[in-house]
Amino acid sequence: DGGITQSPKYLFRKEGQNVTLSCEQNLNHDAMYWYRQDPGQGLRLIYYSQIVNDFQKGDIAEGYSVSREKKESFPLTVTSAQKNPTAFYLCASSLGLQETQYFGPGTRLLVL
Amino acid sequence: ILNVEQSPQSLHVQEGDSTNFTCSFPSSNFYALHWYRWETAKSPEALFVMTLNGDEKKKGRISATLNTKEGYSYLYIKGSQPEDSATYLCAFLAGNNRKLIWGLGTSLGVNP
Repeated sequence: DGGITQSPKYLFRKEGQNVTLSCEQNLNHDAMYWYRQDPGQGLRLIYYSQIVNDFQKGDIAEGYSVSREKKESFPLTVTSAQKNPTAFYLCASSLGLQETQYFGPGTRLLVL
Repeated sequence: ILNVEQSPQSLHVQEGDSTNFTCSFPSSNFYALHWYRWETAKSPEALFVMTLNGDEKKKGRISATLNTKEGYSYLYIKGSQPEDSATYLCAFLAGNNRKLIWGLGTSLGVNP
C-alpha cells in the first residue's frame, strides 16, 4: 500500500528542547515538503527537498532543520530556536516540484 | 508578493444544492493552479491540476474552470452531499517559482 506516513500524531515539547517529526513515503517521489498550519492561516512552507541530499528553505525556515539522507525519508527537527512551535505540521511528497502533492496525516506539536 | 485569495471564506448549503467558489491568483507568469480538498481529521487530497487557460476538469460532481488571463479559477459542486463537507484549497505555481502559494481555503458545510 503506497502512501506517506507521519509520526507521531501528537508530540509534546518542553521549553528548550529539540524534537524531531518523522515523514516517510514509499511512493518513489523525488520531492518532499514540510508545511506548518496555524489557525486562520494558509499552509506555509518550512523546507522542501527536490532530491536526496538536497533541501531548500521555504518561507518560514527559522528555528527548523531538515535532512534528506534517503529518498523515502524527510525528518523535520523543531529546535529550541523556534519560539512559537505549537502548530499542525504536514509533510507532503510529489514526483517533481511542480507535480501534485500527496500529504501525510500530520503531526500536532504542543509545547508544555 | 504573490497572493492567492479564496472566497467565500466559508459557506453552508443544503443537501442537493449546487455551489461554487473562487480562487484568485496573479495573472502574470502563470504555470499551474492546484485544487485540493481537506476533510476534517484527514490529509489534504488533490482534486485537479490545471495548466491551460480555458481548462475545464471534472471529477464526479466536482468540476473546475481556469482563466489565466484574468487570474481566477472556479470550483463547482453539483448536488452537494454531506460528504462534500470539507475545506477546499487552491494553490498557485508561478513559472519562475518552485513553491506552491496556498490560499486560505473555502470551508464548505453541507446540511443533510
